[in-house]
Amino acid sequence: EAEVAQSPRYKITEKSQAVAFWCDPISGHATLYWYRQILGQGPELLVQFQDESVVDDSQLPKDRFSAERLKGVDSTLKIQPAELGDSAMYLCASSPSSAAQVTQYFGPGTRLLVL
Amino acid sequence: QKEVEQDPGPLSVPEGAIVSLNCTYSNSAFQYFMWYRQYSRKGPELLMYTYSSGNKEDGRFTAQVDKSSKYISLFIRDSQPSDSATYLCAAASGGYNKLIFGAGTRLAVHP
Repeated sequence: EAEVAQSPRYKITEKSQAVAFWCDPISGHATLYWYRQILGQGPELLVQFQDESVVDDSQLPKDRFSAERLKGVDSTLKIQPAELGDSAMYLCASSPSSAAQVTQYFGPGTRLLVL
Repeated sequence: QKEVEQDPGPLSVPEGAIVSLNCTYSNSAFQYFMWYRQYSRKGPELLMYTYSSGNKEDGRFTAQVDKSSKYISLFIRDSQPSDSATYLCAAASGGYNKLIFGAGTRLAVHP
């Protein structure tokens, strides 16, 4: 069964350092999402891609966060510099198209701890 | 006020019990309602989704939406220890619109 791949699974960093997360969606899925899930809360959308284009980054803290999906397949989310409040689970999801947001498939997530 | 509210629990039930998980929402534009299951240290897994009001059944799981009261429910029959997880409800106003998640309810089913 096809799955969304993410790496690393865990990341510990010090504040002010740069971190990067990678996501490989299910093959053929045009829409890719990055979410942040703080412990005890539901996921919150950070950025949505349709192919290589950003369609929603309204909740992405653009002063420190960046995301790209250069060839419309895999994607990277970067934080620079990391802050203590960035400690969370970062989830990647994909769906066949932007019309299928209700059927998103999530990866295992990257758990980030900022010290 | 959050658009989707969910009691975080935890909810502890014996094996075989019927479990009722609930959410409320405030946005009348929501048309799609989803339930995700999330095991510890894993990503959410879609259980089922419904469009507008009504019931939908899938095996031991039944999702119910009452738009008049803005209430979403998930019922689990014959609960099993393997059902122990956090259950997230989510809603969207359209197929193109982003999902708004509740905080999740942690469920523990003990043998």
